Parts: sequence; structure tokens; C-alpha cells
Amino acid sequence: QKEVEQNSGPLSVPEGAIASLNCTYSDRGSQSFFWYRQYSGKSPELIMFIYSNGDKEDGRFTAQLNKASQYVSLLIRDSQPSDSATYLCAVKPGGRRALTFGSGTRLQVQP
Amino acid sequence: EAQVTQNPRYLITVTGKKLTVTCSQNMNHEYMSWYRQDPGLGLRQIYYSMNVEVTDKGDVPEGYKVSRKEKRNFPLILESPSPNQTSLYFCATGLAGDFGELFFGEGSRLTVL
Repeated sequence: QKEVEQNSGPLSVPEGAIASLNCTYSDRGSQSFFWYRQYSGKSPELIMFIYSNGDKEDGRFTAQLNKASQYVSLLIRDSQPSDSATYLCAVKPGGRRALTFGSGTRLQVQP
Repeated sequence: EAQVTQNPRYLITVTGKKLTVTCSQNMNHEYMSWYRQDPGLGLRQIYYSMNVEVTDKGDVPEGYKVSRKEKRNFPLILESPSPNQTSLYFCATGLAGDFGELFFGEGSRLTVL
């Protein structure tokens, strides 16, 4: 079992719709959770982080965390073609000085 | 401008020929790390450094070496590259107390024939 699992996609949504990206993790001791966006041929960049159960909103992005279910999600409202990228879920497992990344979900927003 | 600079960006080499990928940052970050990215496997950590002269293994350290003689530089050394080290390599930096927010270099695509 991978430590951080994501559906590889592609997830295709029409422009203006809500894109929902999901991630599960195996280490119950994990404390911090991150979403990175990676455009094709570019390096990852941090877009959201969440530490506590519940929702965290930042503009069009909402991160959701459910530690009991070991589940993290990212919602993108009013999706734009410029949101087309691979979204990487990353988790900081308990006691480790590193992030563990999922393999990413490719999102395609159709104009 | 805050930057993490990697060189070379692209390299094709042959098995056994030692090479070094350099990483330099101007953000005064204590934490530096190397990742490799392979299709279907995501980003996997090779080595990391919490500060000068302090380095430790990540998840996939075999075949790699690192050094941290200065705060700003963290080179990745492949003493005897093999084809299974063909990959996209990223250097990343962050604050020592919060290595969740990482700043990545532009990546170095390495092909070992």
C-alpha cells in the first residue's frame, strides 16, 4: 500500500465547474497536509496546506481534512483552463523530516 | 528575486561516468532536499539537510551522495550513474521548522545510457 494515494486521472471538468481532487494516506500519525500544483514541464508549487480537521478556504480553493478517515481533498470552484495541471497531495508523516508525495492527479479543464 | 537554481537542467550521460547536479538558493533556508520524480511513483526524497554539515538519507538514497558545506549549496553526486537513475530531479528548500512549504528548483532531467 502506498503511503499517499491519489487517482492519476485525468479528471476532466468543464470550465466554471467544481473540480474535486482526493487523496488518502496511511500514516495515522501524520500532522500536516499539503497540496502542490505542477504545470507540465514545471516544478511543483504550494497552493494550500491544512493541519486541522475541517475545511480551509483560500479564494477558489478549499482544502478538506478528515483525519479519522485519513482523507484529504482539494476543491477548486469556478475551474478555469489555467487550472489544468497535475495536483500533488503531500503529507508530513509523524516523526519524519520530509514530505511524502502522492503520484498526483492530472486535472483538465475544458473551455 | 528568491530563487532555487539547479544545474544542469538537462544532461545525457553514460553508465559509470560521475556527475554532479548543483543546487543553490538565495533564500537563506536551513532545510534543503533532493527529490526524484518518476511517472506513477511521484516525488521521492533522496537526501535532505537540516543545516550546514547535517545531512540524512531520504527514501531512495542508494547510488547518491550529497554534501552541505555552505548554507546556500546542496549538490547531488552520482558517483557511478546507472540507467535506473534516469529521472527528473528536483532540489527543494524550506525553513527548518516548517519543511512542508517547499520551494522547488526548475528541475534537472537526467538520462543515463
